Amino acid sequence: EPEVTQTPSHQVTQMGQEVILRCVPISNHLYFYWYRQILGQKVEFLVSFYNNEISEKSEIFDDQFSVERPDGSNFTLKIRSTKLEDSAMYFCAEWRAGKIYGYTFGSGTRLTVV
Amino acid sequence: KQEVTQIPAALSVPEGENLVLNCSFTDSAIYNLQWFRQDPGKGLTSLLLIQSSQREQTSGRLNASLDKSSGRSTLYIAASQPGDSATYLCAVSSGAGSYQLTFGKGTKLSVIP
Repeated sequence: EPEVTQTPSHQVTQMGQEVILRCVPISNHLYFYWYRQILGQKVEFLVSFYNNEISEKSEIFDDQFSVERPDGSNFTLKIRSTKLEDSAMYFCAEWRAGKIYGYTFGSGTRLTVV
Repeated sequence: KQEVTQIPAALSVPEGENLVLNCSFTDSAIYNLQWFRQDPGKGLTSLLLIQSSQREQTSGRLNASLDKSSGRSTLYIAASQPGDSATYLCAVSSGAGSYQLTFGKGTKLSVIP
């Protein structure tokens, strides 16, 4: 079965630095998402992306965050100036309709801000 | 605002036992409900998805039911195995907007050999 690929699997960054998390979704799907999971807490919705623009975003997704699909395939999440509380697992996901229906999540990027 | 609760938070059972995991949600106007499995430090593996018009879905030893009006879903695991040990997450989509999921905190299952 096709997979959603995320890179890197683990990233350590200094507080205040910019990070870019990358995702290669399966093509021809409707919606793409970023979620995060702080250790021991619930998986939380950050942002959805449809037709090359943001469809919806949560209150977590403030001006420090941005998403892009720069080349029509890769899907990126940028955090401009990381804070200690940004340390979490970040998941890319997509929503498929049609014959194979449902959500598929990537394996995640563990971001550690020090 | 949708809230999803999963009970129990943790469960330990001997191998071979049948078990039920519970999920409840506050807003019954859902589009679908999905159960995921998460192994420690790993991503989310989709197990079963139930459309709002459906009552249940089955895959192998897993059966998920949905009672939308009462805001409840159960995941039934038959003949549990040590390999079933993981955290099981329930998530609902409202269908409004972009179909994003609201997750419960999960039930951590340990199956003892």
